[in-house]
Amino acid sequence: KNEVEQSPQNLTAQEGEFITINCSYSVGISALHWLQQHPGGGIVSLFMLSSGKKKHGRLIATINIQEKHSSLHITASHPRDSAVYICAAGGADGLTFGKGTHLIIQP
Amino acid sequence: EAGVAQSPRYKIIEKRQSVAFWCNPISGHATLYWYQQILGQGPKLLIQFQNNGVVDDSQLPKDRFSAERLKGVDSTLKIQPAKLEDSAVYLCASSRTTSTGELFFGEGSRLTVL
Repeated sequence: KNEVEQSPQNLTAQEGEFITINCSYSVGISALHWLQQHPGGGIVSLFMLSSGKKKHGRLIATINIQEKHSSLHITASHPRDSAVYICAAGGADGLTFGKGTHLIIQP
Repeated sequence: EAGVAQSPRYKIIEKRQSVAFWCNPISGHATLYWYQQILGQGPKLLIQFQNNGVVDDSQLPKDRFSAERLKGVDSTLKIQPAKLEDSAVYLCASSRTTSTGELFFGEGSRLTVL
């Protein structure tokens, strides 16, 4: 069974800072999902990737299949980026979720 | 394109009562998931459907939880009888294919068991 670890668990930063959230998994996967959950809100899919790098606005996701590691980066962070970011590894036994990273961006 | 619809958004019941949640996935999405998210934790898969068949229900507490997707579209999740530890947000998600497909989540149904 896949094990998904995220770090850090909590992160507080100042507006404008470059943010990195890490995700590692133990078993080879077919896709890695990055999800965003605002307080009291639903979950939104940010990225789904199986190799390389994807960019959407100020968000960048990368994955290294050999090292079983993915990162989510936020450039020029803004208070509205404050949310829980969850990675989920998709493989033969379905999706395994990390516990999430609680990000707070202070103005 | 309409998103994943869930109802009710909030439900408060007493322990030992029953509750049912409804989910309407995005049109054309064959895969439907029910997740339980307890405060401060990541989502935990309860059951996965592919069309109207069950793919994975290994973490569904079958003594009290049941789910169905009779026509391969809408789904209902039922808890009977509810326990205090069932207090959580119940999330429905759908994807066009299986775990390699992009996930779309509903807003969730927040259950409080008193």
